Amino acid sequence: GQNIDQPTEMTATEGAIVQINCTYQTSGFNGLFWYQQHAGEAPTFLSYNVLDGLEEKGRFSSFLSRSKGYSYLLLKELQMKDSASYLCAVSAANQAGTALIFGKGTTLSVSS
Amino acid sequence: GAGVSQSPSNKVTEKGKDVELRCDPISGHTALYWYRQSLGQGLEFLIYFQGNSAPDKSGLPSDRFSAERTGGSVSTLTIQRTQQEDSAVYLCASSLEEGLETQYFGPGTRLLVL
Repeated sequence: GQNIDQPTEMTATEGAIVQINCTYQTSGFNGLFWYQQHAGEAPTFLSYNVLDGLEEKGRFSSFLSRSKGYSYLLLKELQMKDSASYLCAVSAANQAGTALIFGKGTTLSVSS
Repeated sequence: GAGVSQSPSNKVTEKGKDVELRCDPISGHTALYWYRQSLGQGLEFLIYFQGNSAPDKSGLPSDRFSAERTGGSVSTLTIQRTQQEDSAVYLCASSLEEGLETQYFGPGTRLLVL
């Protein structure tokens, strides 16, 4: 079956670094996406990994290990506005077209 | 606007009524997706349109759910004889074309079935 796991909640303080892990088991793999979703708003794209390794984009980085079915999103220099839900999503080869399979999301709370 | 738009933003209906949810994708995007997000659950894929091809309906939870896409642009998701378990946020996304293109999401329609 298709399964994506990520922690339900995480907390951190301003200026800190936080790593949000995601493990997946899917029938086929085309790529892994991370989205950010603030309460009551639409998910917005953060990053995309298809090859193993680290992709860095400003304060956010995303890592992928296909052999381990594992990814993480790294957030540096945390700011209050980073408080949001972070969604891990996989594009699986046998999923309809390129529709994404989403995890349930990790709610990150950043405090001062 | 340049983004995906959806209407209505909120919808309250009574059990057994039909509802229609609308999605306007980003201009020029050929792929359009509908997802459902229930409280405490991840986004659940419902249906996918790509250009003029027949839609993939494999994610629709029951035959009460249907969707159309007219002229390769605007899409309507229809839920007939709504049930309380249909209460959720319905999100629409579009991407430039099929493939590993980034999907851009609309703000969603919050549906509450009483």
